[in-house]
Amino acid sequence: AQKITQTQPGMFVQEKEAVTLDCTYDTSDPSYGLFWYKQPSSGEMIFLIYQGSYDQQNATEGRYSLNFQKARKSANLVISASQLGDSAMYFCAMREAPGAGSYQLTFGKGTKLSVIP
Amino acid sequence: GAVVSQHPSWVICKSGTSVKIECRSLDFQATTMFWYRQFPKQSLMLMATSNEGSKATYEQGVEKDKFLINHASLTLSTLTVTSAHPEDSSFYICSAIRAGRGTATNEKLFFGSGTQLSVL
Repeated sequence: AQKITQTQPGMFVQEKEAVTLDCTYDTSDPSYGLFWYKQPSSGEMIFLIYQGSYDQQNATEGRYSLNFQKARKSANLVISASQLGDSAMYFCAMREAPGAGSYQLTFGKGTKLSVIP
Repeated sequence: GAVVSQHPSWVICKSGTSVKIECRSLDFQATTMFWYRQFPKQSLMLMATSNEGSKATYEQGVEKDKFLINHASLTLSTLTVTSAHPEDSSFYICSAIRAGRGTATNEKLFFGSGTQLSVL
């Protein structure tokens, strides 16, 4: 079974509008972390935001916020006031309970966001 | 912020040759580095985990003899694609964890800019 599911292969949003990118996850560990990364066409991976499983509040980083619904196992990324530079692939990722060498992330398949002028 | 440099950014080679990709942490020491492979329009797939001074741990299905990983120092890990074939053409990207950090779930990875390998 997939651990990270991103059901939207592609999304379009009008410039200056808000957009929500969906992410659901599957884990039985009580301790885990959820990440969102942005990958522009250049290929680099840019960290956007992090949400811990025990965090009481939804994470926010500038125009990015994470709508964390633990019971539903969803961690949707909300981008407010979209900009043309936001056009990119967006990946949701999860790290489960730490263990020896357990730094690795499991990535979803990604959502391609296109911002329309 | 922490910077990871990956070189080269793109490489074209003939089938049967070997290609070395370097991943360097520029302003921090990295005990652990990861190598990912990404096919067009797909997600990153973890190939192997590289620990300084020890053998890499490969994911299931990844050929150890084809994808040689060396993590000789706390700032450098290399991936060598040996006897490359066209099916090895892909985007390879490395990431690193800062040494000394705990195993907290919120420790984020710092990524290199990736290497596009094209095997003719």
